[in-house]
Amino acid sequence: AQSVTQPDIHITVSEGASLELRCNYSYGATPYLFWYVQSPGQGLQLLLKYFSGDTLVQGIKGFEAEFKRSQSSFNLRKPSVHWSDAAEYFCAVGPPEYGNKLVFGAGTILRVKS
Amino acid sequence: GAGVSQSPRYKVAKRGQDVALRCDPISGHVSLFWYQQALGQGPEFLTYFQNEAQLDKSGLPSDRFFAERPEGSVSTLKIQRTQQEDSAVYLCASSPTGQAYGYTFGSGTRLTVV
Repeated sequence: AQSVTQPDIHITVSEGASLELRCNYSYGATPYLFWYVQSPGQGLQLLLKYFSGDTLVQGIKGFEAEFKRSQSSFNLRKPSVHWSDAAEYFCAVGPPEYGNKLVFGAGTILRVKS
Repeated sequence: GAGVSQSPRYKVAKRGQDVALRCDPISGHVSLFWYQQALGQGPEFLTYFQNEAQLDKSGLPSDRFFAERPEGSVSTLKIQRTQQEDSAVYLCASSPTGQAYGYTFGSGTRLTVV
């Protein structure tokens, strides 16, 4: 069965510093890959997605992610973090043969120090 | 509507009580999904509708869980004889197509069983 691993439960960065959130997946072929952000009491907002093609994907709010097939990874990055980026971030996988289901990682909570 | 609307936002149920959670998807969205998000975890798939047809209910944890979407728009997730382990946030998402990449999530219903 496919799985998604987000190794970091919490990450704290200083405002203005760069950010990288890790995501690894276990799956035999290239799935659809997603990053979502969730603020307290809110639903999930899509940051970016990868289906095929260019392995560097640009998303909203200045985020980007890079798909690395050899490492089964889809890490999320931002060059300069803002205090408003503090939230929980979820990586998700949507294997094509599973149709519409998404399998989510356990999430990484981002704290931003001023 | 402009977004996916879920009601109630919060529900406290006594153990053994039946509850009904409502989801109003974005108008015209064909697909509707329910996910369960336990505290500190990522969302987990429960069930999927395409119009009024429930095409996948493999994620429903027990026969106490039942979902319907009789007219292909509003959906209700019903939980009978609630148990403490049912405490979670229940997220609804809709998509204009049958594919995972079009998801828009609602803000969720937080169910607490006491």
